[in-house]
Amino acid sequence: EVQLVESGGGLVQPGGSLRLSCAASGFTFSSYWMHWVRQAPGKGLVWVSRINSDGSSTSYADSVKGRFTISRDNAKNTLYLQMNSLRAEDTAVYYCAREGVLMLGGMDVWGQGTTVTVSS
Amino acid sequence: SYELTQPLSVSVALGQTARITCGGNNIGSKNVHWYQQKPGQAPVLVIYRDSNRPSGIPERFSGSNSGNTATLTISRAQAGDEADYYCQVWDSSWVFGGGTKLTVL
Repeated sequence: EVQLVESGGGLVQPGGSLRLSCAASGFTFSSYWMHWVRQAPGKGLVWVSRINSDGSSTSYADSVKGRFTISRDNAKNTLYLQMNSLRAEDTAVYYCAREGVLMLGGMDVWGQGTTVTVSS
Repeated sequence: SYELTQPLSVSVALGQTARITCGGNNIGSKNVHWYQQKPGQAPVLVIYRDSNRPSGIPERFSGSNSGNTATLTISRAQAGDEADYYCQVWDSSWVFGGGTKLTVL
């Protein structure tokens, strides 16, 4: 079964750091681009970051650029999001998602999400 | 940055056809993807590249894209179709619409 499972969320103080993980199974992880997408409470989906299949290329939303770092370990089938200098507005459910082959930007597999709360 | 505009809400009678629009400048030249999200659940891809259905998505779901508007059409709407629906494109980055809440009456 194709599956993505996020972990690492929790409560953190403003200015703090957190690292999210996304464990992939059921498919050849190293062949796919991967994304992080977040959703603030009661709000819509917002793209956060993307990494290509071998990890050599990354991109970020302006709101997180310079504070978040996406990475992957293809040997461990795991995607990461290192989040530093966290702000209250980073509070959200964070989803990892797979970009489908030939889907030209569409995300065909999503994890269940992990919740990040930034509060003092 | 590119913007996608969706109506906040759409209502449809049980068994009728719902149409959810997604507006954007010359969106017809882009590949549009649609996601369904039910409360407390992760999004699910229901249409990719304008009009293609992933395996497991009912034929009742269809999509079109032309000019400045893309449309997700849900035929014979069921109670289980109640959800938030998001359109998404790539335009120098990955952009989501604000989402539309579909209510089945």
